[in-house]
Amino acid sequence: DTAVSQTPKYLVTQMGNDKSIKCEQNLGHDTMYWYKQDSKKFLKIMFSYNNKELIINETVPNRFSPKSPDKAHLNLHINSLELGDSAVYFCASSQQHNEQFFGPGTRLTVL
Amino acid sequence: AQSVTQLGSHVSVSEGALVLLRCNYSSSVPPYLFWYVQYPNQGLQLLLKYTTGATLVKGINGFEAEFKKSETSFHLTKPSAHMSDAAEYFCAVTRGTGGFKTIFGAGTRLFVKA
Repeated sequence: DTAVSQTPKYLVTQMGNDKSIKCEQNLGHDTMYWYKQDSKKFLKIMFSYNNKELIINETVPNRFSPKSPDKAHLNLHINSLELGDSAVYFCASSQQHNEQFFGPGTRLTVL
Repeated sequence: AQSVTQLGSHVSVSEGALVLLRCNYSSSVPPYLFWYVQYPNQGLQLLLKYTTGATLVKGINGFEAEFKKSETSFHLTKPSAHMSDAAEYFCAVTRGTGGFKTIFGAGTRLFVKA
């Protein structure tokens, strides 16, 4: 059973398109995260939800909008995709401030 | 504010040699400290963590790390490297009480030579 799953695994799209990435965790955790990992492997926090409430909202373009329909799901919608959005996006979950469990990542390529 | 510094973006060791990956942190409150490993094309997975108590913590795959408050360090070691240890390693810090923001270091790529 996959603890944190993301779909899709790969996403190739044109500039200007709108796309969504979905994340689900079956660990019963109360906190979920979205990270962006660039080509140099630097991991940057984007958003975090605790019990469906947004608690971390880093300096991210407002083209990025997270949505948490329930504690087990955190989706990421991106409008008007740009070349610089190409990266690997990771979803993670944790029980409060304990260790985080990461999904397998979604490799986004914007052409 | 918290921060994490990993010394050395790349470390290369021979198979069977000691692995030492350095991590220094800054935190105004007692920290929780973590080491994660990322294999190619995978997500991060926890190697070990320090929260409270014993300062020498053991993790998976023979890794261990020691929390040294006086040196604000949490270096990762393994006595004998295996080829399968080749991966990216991330040190991370979070506040011990309250707060949910974890700060990750820039990562250290470990190469293991045959």
